[in-house]
Amino acid sequence: AQKVTQAQTEISVVEKEDVTLDCVYETRDTTYYLFWYKQPPSGELVFLIRRNSFDEQNEISGRYSWNFQKSTSSFNFTITASQVVDSAVYFCALSVYNFNKFYFGSGTKLNVKP
Amino acid sequence: DAGVTQSPTHLIKTRGQQVTLRCSPKSGHDTVSWYQQALGQGPQFIFQYYEEEERQRGNFPDRFSGHQFPNYSSELNVNALLLGDSALYLCASSHSSYNSATNEKLFFGSGTQLSVL
Repeated sequence: AQKVTQAQTEISVVEKEDVTLDCVYETRDTTYYLFWYKQPPSGELVFLIRRNSFDEQNEISGRYSWNFQKSTSSFNFTITASQVVDSAVYFCALSVYNFNKFYFGSGTKLNVKP
Repeated sequence: DAGVTQSPTHLIKTRGQQVTLRCSPKSGHDTVSWYQQALGQGPQFIFQYYEEEERQRGNFPDRFSGHQFPNYSSELNVNALLLGDSALYLCASSHSSYNSATNEKLFFGSGTQLSVL
């Protein structure tokens, strides 16, 4: 069975602070994909990143960075120098090889205050 | 290039009624998935359609059914509505065959907010 846990329900930071959103996943499959999505108040889920299970390289995209560690089954997301526009709910998701069905965590609501 | 579009945006129904939600996938996409997102929760997979057939199904009762048309658009039908069916229903599309070698990212619509009274 597949499962994604986002233990942080809500995080509040002040603008320009760095913040890390945690994601822990469970799967017995050896080939799987991990994703992060952002959900602003409009409701649409916006894709941020996809990682496959064979690529443990950390990735940086502007102020965003992701740390994938298979040893701890974690795929954490860090926003550097947060901005008010980063306020949203962030979801971590897992899909296993050959089945494009996503398992989502319960989400972390990020509040960035000016 | 239009993204995933869903209609209606909001809907209010009463218990026992039936509802149909509609989705047009992103141009070039052939696979449509439906998700239910209860308040404060992550989206939960309902089912997926590819080549006009239901390919995968999540843990939802038979009251939830769907259809995919030759133009790849899709409908989600829910019969005998319950209060617990109140949620945001999200449609997602992707360009992948059922046996795709890679799991493609999903493109989501803004959803239909269904309220059952």
